[in-house]
Amino acid sequence: ETGVTQTPRHLVMGMTNKKSLKCEQHLGHNAMYWYKQSAKKPLELMFVYNFKEQTENNSVPSRFSPECPNSSHLFLHLHTLQPEDSALYLCASSQDLRTGVYGYTFGSGTRLTVV
Amino acid sequence: EDQVTQSPEALRLQEGESSSLNCSYTVSGLRGLFWYRQDPGKGPEFLFTLYSAGEEKEKERLKATLTKKESFLHITAPKPEDSATYLCAVQANSGGYQKVTFGTGTKLQVIP
Repeated sequence: ETGVTQTPRHLVMGMTNKKSLKCEQHLGHNAMYWYKQSAKKPLELMFVYNFKEQTENNSVPSRFSPECPNSSHLFLHLHTLQPEDSALYLCASSQDLRTGVYGYTFGSGTRLTVV
Repeated sequence: EDQVTQSPEALRLQEGESSSLNCSYTVSGLRGLFWYRQDPGKGPEFLFTLYSAGEEKEKERLKATLTKKESFLHITAPKPEDSATYLCAVQANSGGYQKVTFGTGTKLQVIP
């Protein structure tokens, strides 16, 4: 399988639940990203990983916890979320942090609803 | 602070009716300007990268242009399958990390 794959596609969770989002890329890219997309707002960068090392944490609340075990896999662990955290969570990858000629490759996202 | 503003917010065209989407930006040290297409329920799909004023890129009915302050995405004789949200993003130097800032997008609807 090629491209960036995100699972699950949809997730409904209660405010006291713990869940994880998974992202996998088979493009040989070294940089991976988590973005949050809410209606009427620009894509909001959450975390950046380069060669498995976190390079950016964009003031994200601690109820979001990223994990990058290798350059192909990225997780976002969720706990004690709030209803305002409901959004589309997108994973992206690029060859390196310079983004390059081909921009980011995005997954299809996980539509998260917090009830 | 880097800023990207896209207009209009939404655009409705008849099939075959050409138009342009605008992306104006304020950034220090532009490294690249990107256009993406996003279909409902999917992630953004890369279309173009532009690096310097005067540069143009084309793909089928789409042509992207760049000036020092804005970029245009021209759509010639659009078809219903061109309906999507088009996102603009700029990449700029921000310390050791080349930060990417996205606009809010233009939602295009092409009516048969």
